[in-house]
Amino acid sequence: QKEVEQDPGPLSVPEGAIVSLNCTYSNSAFQYFMWYRQYSRKGPELLMYTYSSGNKEDGRFTAQVDKSSKYISLFIRDSQPSDSATYLCAMTRGSTLGRLYFGRGTQLTVWP
Amino acid sequence: GAVVSQHPSWVICKSGTSVKIECRSLDFQATTMFWYRQFPKQSLMLMATSNEGSKATYEQGVEKDKFLINHASLTLSTLTVTSAHPEDSSFYICSASPEGQGRGNQPQHFGDGTRLSIL
Repeated sequence: QKEVEQDPGPLSVPEGAIVSLNCTYSNSAFQYFMWYRQYSRKGPELLMYTYSSGNKEDGRFTAQVDKSSKYISLFIRDSQPSDSATYLCAMTRGSTLGRLYFGRGTQLTVWP
Repeated sequence: GAVVSQHPSWVICKSGTSVKIECRSLDFQATTMFWYRQFPKQSLMLMATSNEGSKATYEQGVEKDKFLINHASLTLSTLTVTSAHPEDSSFYICSASPEGQGRGNQPQHFGDGTRLSIL
């Protein structure tokens, strides 16, 4: 069993929809949780970063962490075609300076 | 802030040549940088952890003699693919996290990747 599980999709939604992306993990030592967005042939771009459990909002994006369930989510409101990309969840143990453990990535397409 | 620059973005070369890829942290220092490899429609696979002033730590199954890593300064790490062959063709990406006094725990930022094609 992989330490971080993420449904690769693909996920296709109409413009304006609310998108929900999720990851589960098995290691309770994970403390820092990140969501990255990756466009084709580009490096991952940091979207959201949270520590421990709770919610964090930034514009149209909301990240949720439920450590009791070992479950993290990213919500995208009012999705736009420019949101079409692969979304990777990642997490680290103890410090963000350590190695990242990635999910497989979910490929999202938002159609006009 | 927290910009990571990678160069070149794309390289094509003949089988048997060596290729050097640079990863620079432009506005912060990083004693640790990470090198990843990514195949199409796959997630990032950690190859090695680059440590400034000391030897890199390689993941299991990664040939250290094939993928040479040098981290000579707090803002530069290089990955050299030696005697490259077509199976080394891939997308290589580096990452680093801002460090230093007052920075706290900052998430890692990635370069834009280097697409390597070996003919």
